[in-house]
Amino acid sequence: SQTIHQWPATLVQPVGSPLSLECTVEGTSNPNLYWYRQAAGRGLQLLFYSVGIGQISSEVPQNLSASRPQDRQFILSSKKLLLSDSGFYLCAWSVRDRGMGSNQPQHFGDGTRLSIL
Amino acid sequence: RKEVEQDPGPFNVPEGATVAFNCTYSNSASQSFFWYRQDCRKEPKLLMSVYSSGNEDGRFTAQLNRASQYISLLIRDSKLSDSATYLCVVRRDDKIIFGKGTRLHILP
Repeated sequence: SQTIHQWPATLVQPVGSPLSLECTVEGTSNPNLYWYRQAAGRGLQLLFYSVGIGQISSEVPQNLSASRPQDRQFILSSKKLLLSDSGFYLCAWSVRDRGMGSNQPQHFGDGTRLSIL
Repeated sequence: RKEVEQDPGPFNVPEGATVAFNCTYSNSASQSFFWYRQDCRKEPKLLMSVYSSGNEDGRFTAQLNRASQYISLLIRDSKLSDSATYLCVVRRDDKIIFGKGTRLHILP
């Protein structure tokens, strides 16, 4: 069966420090991978998604970046964190789209709760 | 206009009642639809996919109206454990967009 691992679960970082969150998927090949952020009491904001190694689509301009160095690895990074980067970061995977009506949902990792001081 | 819109609630509903949520989406090219459930400080979990003909899973019924571009979720005989935020999700190609969610509180 497929599993998704995301770490760390909790992170406290000072403003201006770098960030690296890692997500890996097991039990599937060529997954779509996604990073979301959820601010306290708010909805999920899609940050990046990737349909293959080295292919990253960015949804929101910000000081974050994403990379996919391997098929089942997705990394979220920042060179200098801002206070506004605090939130709940969620990685997700899905089967690649196969056209109309493919009905492939997403499956989420446990999330990383990031606090910026 | 947001791509996926939901009434944020909260819906305060007595235990045993029936409750319905609607969700609208703006892009007619959207292909797949889902309802997720998110408990406080947890990751979203898939509740059910939404099929064109409508589908049911126990106490939960989902409907899709492509012409009007809305999706609905009906919960019958609500339980205390149904208290959560319900997220409407729309997929178009490889892009998946979440609504902001509707909060549901089931009252004893």
